[in-house]
Amino acid sequence: DAGVTQSPTHLIKTRGQQVTLRCSPKSGHDTVSWYQQALGQGPQFIFQYYEEEERQRGNFPDRFSGHQFPNYSSELNVNALLLGDSALYLCASSWEGGNSPLHFGNGTRLTVT
Amino acid sequence: GENVEQHPSTLSVQEGDSAVIKCTYSDSASNYFPWYKQELGKRPQLIIDIRSNVGEKKDQRIAVTLNKTAKHFSLHITETQPEDSAVYFCAASEGGGSNYKLTFGKGTLLTVNP
Repeated sequence: DAGVTQSPTHLIKTRGQQVTLRCSPKSGHDTVSWYQQALGQGPQFIFQYYEEEERQRGNFPDRFSGHQFPNYSSELNVNALLLGDSALYLCASSWEGGNSPLHFGNGTRLTVT
Repeated sequence: GENVEQHPSTLSVQEGDSAVIKCTYSDSASNYFPWYKQELGKRPQLIIDIRSNVGEKKDQRIAVTLNKTAKHFSLHITETQPEDSAVYFCAASEGGGSNYKLTFGKGTLLTVNP
């Protein structure tokens, strides 16, 4: 049973560029959440997708956007990258139908130069 | 919004000793409190969680206690082992239910010395 998978594992981008990160949820899960984890900090909630719609959003600018596909996989897009966007981006999945805890992927390490 | 404070930021113990990490939260509506362990370069992994209708939960060497009135919860690890060394995060869920967004503390780096 595959867990949460994310791609790519590492990414280097230049300021002003755009990036797309991908996530496949754990089998049986239908809800995907994205978190940003800066070095030495706890994960910060970006947004959550359920039934292909953004259900909740944290305090992140509109440069951060996302999408969920019919197969429950998800993408995180960040436009006009800033140096401060350098972080580990974690995807987490859960099942809406029960009190399912979040299962995290290994993350994508984004470096903006 | 919810704010979670976590203490201490670093904790060093001798193998076999107990370790305690404490967290406070601000939103009285929060009702789900998980703890995650994150080893260097790896994903956060859920080690134990507690809901607001329960005061204490135990799983082998790990226990969590919750005081709703004081809005604080704690992680207790007994008989620590070197493999317990990691960063531990507490979190609280707003709005009720595990599917809602989690607000994390800043983490505690636990070092267990052999």
